[in-house]
Amino acid sequence: EADIYQTPRYLVIGTGKKITLECSQTMGHDKMYWYQQDPGMELHLIHYSYGVNSTEKGDLSSESTVSRIRTEHFPLTLESARPSHTSQYLCASSGGPLEREDINEQFFGPGTRLTVL
Amino acid sequence: GENVEQHPSTLSVQEGDSAVIKCTYSDSASNYFPWYKQELGKRPQLIIDIRSNVGEKKDQRIAVTLNKTAKHFSLHITETQPEDSAVYFCAAPPSGGSYIPTFGRGTSLIVHP
Repeated sequence: EADIYQTPRYLVIGTGKKITLECSQTMGHDKMYWYQQDPGMELHLIHYSYGVNSTEKGDLSSESTVSRIRTEHFPLTLESARPSHTSQYLCASSGGPLEREDINEQFFGPGTRLTVL
Repeated sequence: GENVEQHPSTLSVQEGDSAVIKCTYSDSASNYFPWYKQELGKRPQLIIDIRSNVGEKKDQRIAVTLNKTAKHFSLHITETQPEDSAVYFCAAPPSGGSYIPTFGRGTSLIVHP
């Protein structure tokens, strides 16, 4: 079944650790996104990608980095986690070979809830 | 870029009442307007969308209306039920070659039984 997957779902780590949040989609989509969201609050775009080898920073300043080596995979890395990074991280995807560019429904993953102690 | 304003930020209704959430946008070239529902602890999911060539779209108890002249669109939920309690986000599409939609800040809807 076509879906978008995120691992881990929950992560508790200490300050200064390096972490990678995984995101994979089997939707056949070319565009992928990372959002940061505190529970029930607005969605803040932190990174996006139009396709392989394309990555851009979003509106929210972030100390994270992303890579897009394969179409279906868009991992996010924090080199040195801090308590201010505690939040939920949502991965999303949109587009595809048969989808018009102006119809931009986004499909979200289940999220990773990160706590940095 | 696009600017999207969403109101109200919180909405509390009694079961059976109607709820209306409104969004305004700035880019007159925008032509696709989705609404997402995010239940507590879940991911946002599309519940209804409208394209600029129609003024209203209905799906059972939910409807979306679009006023292109005034540049606003609204989500209407009739006969609200407790399971409608969630955060709702509107979005306006990318423009100018961007593929990045702009989301509203969200409305927390609480339906009291």
